[in-house]
Amino acid sequence: DAKTTQPTSMDCAEGRAANLPCNHSTISGNEYVYWYRQIHSQGPQYIIHGLKNNETNEMASLIITEDRKSSTLILPHATLRDTAVYYCIVRFNFGNEKLTFGTGTRLTIIP
Amino acid sequence: DTEVTQTPKHLVMGMTNKKSLKCEQHMGHRAMYWYKQKAKKPPELMFVYSYEKLSINESVPSRFSPECPNSSLLNLHLHALQPEDSALYLCASSQRRVLTTSGGALNTGELFFGEGSRLTVL
Repeated sequence: DAKTTQPTSMDCAEGRAANLPCNHSTISGNEYVYWYRQIHSQGPQYIIHGLKNNETNEMASLIITEDRKSSTLILPHATLRDTAVYYCIVRFNFGNEKLTFGTGTRLTIIP
Repeated sequence: DTEVTQTPKHLVMGMTNKKSLKCEQHMGHRAMYWYKQKAKKPPELMFVYSYEKLSINESVPSRFSPECPNSSLLNLHLHALQPEDSALYLCASSQRRVLTTSGGALNTGELFFGEGSRLTVL
């Protein structure tokens, strides 16, 4: 699976959109981009994933650049409960059972 | 039911003890995972079971012994642990789609995690 690079930490004001970047310049054509988050003292939680197209669900939006070398997770209206470590993971789905976490971004929502 | 339940939530054991961590899911998932997480570090994969068979062992010491008695249960047996094994142990499960005509299996991708069992080895 391709390696990802994320900022170590970010702050965002409550109510604003939180934009979390991820670089995955070595991604291959059939690898997906996944985002998970881990709120303190809880297990990781799946947020969203995508291959090429932008994706949106009730939690977030995922914007993947056309060359697929980077992506951005967008939390449209951040709340204090969104304070967590956010992990960007690149993963080949077919026949691959591993999900390998990088160091992630610690997002702090400021009141 | 979209939960992965782990018991116990907290466990303190001595280095000579034998204990077990338990994980249960009733989502019909056929892949189950054990991860280990040290403080302020990302989770590290230990084992993966696929269709109740051990498919991945990430070179984990033999003092950790996984077991998958059925498709809903996953255990982690602990024996002769060291203080450095103190960590949060996370269980997860995911769906595995039916085999393709070429014999492969496709993950849906989403892993559901439990809240973890926090282990302290004295």
